[in-house]
Amino acid sequence: GNSVTQMEGPVTLSEEAFLTINCTYTATGYPSLFWYVQYPGEGLQLLLKATKADDKGSNKGFEATYRKETTSFHLEKGSVQVSDSAVYFCALSDGGNNRLAFGKGNQVVVIP
Amino acid sequence: DVKVTQSSRYLVKRTGEKVFLECVQDMDHENMFWYRQDPGLGLRLIYFSYDVKMKEKGDIPEGYSVSREKKERFSLILESASTNQTSMYLCASSLGGQGINEQFFGPGTRLTVL
Repeated sequence: GNSVTQMEGPVTLSEEAFLTINCTYTATGYPSLFWYVQYPGEGLQLLLKATKADDKGSNKGFEATYRKETTSFHLEKGSVQVSDSAVYFCALSDGGNNRLAFGKGNQVVVIP
Repeated sequence: DVKVTQSSRYLVKRTGEKVFLECVQDMDHENMFWYRQDPGLGLRLIYFSYDVKMKEKGDIPEGYSVSREKKERFSLILESASTNQTSMYLCASSLGGQGINEQFFGPGTRLTVL
């Protein structure tokens, strides 16, 4: 079945540092890929998405490129802010009723 | 502004009680979902519905049931709550049909079963 793997553990970094969160997936067919973000005390909201190989999703300074050859969709941001502190979830959908398979999430803490 | 609302932000119940979690969306979405979120496990799908009165089991349906009598409302029911159902419950909705449609999430209900 479909599955998503995110790197283990929380990520703590200083303001203006470069952020990378790794995401790899296993899927049959050609899934669409997503990054969702959950700010403290809130539900999840879509950060960016990519629907086919080599697509790049981007939003709020975050980017991720759909790499079919490495089955990856790593999230990057060049210069993080304290306001980026949140939990980030990678997810995939194979289109069936828009079901999503989520990774376990990564807590990101940005220190001033 | 699109909105998914959940009936309670925090709920405390006792073991064996019947618990109802309500979710309402105002976007006329066909699909609705219930997830639970646990530390280290991410989000896991409990049930989803792609139309009124339709439901399908997700990955962890045991101990739960759902009801969708109206398009905008999707209820999660714990027939006899147990301590291992203490968790954060998230509801989401999306458009149906072809294509990949964004899921919109509610703020969550943190349920504690004592």
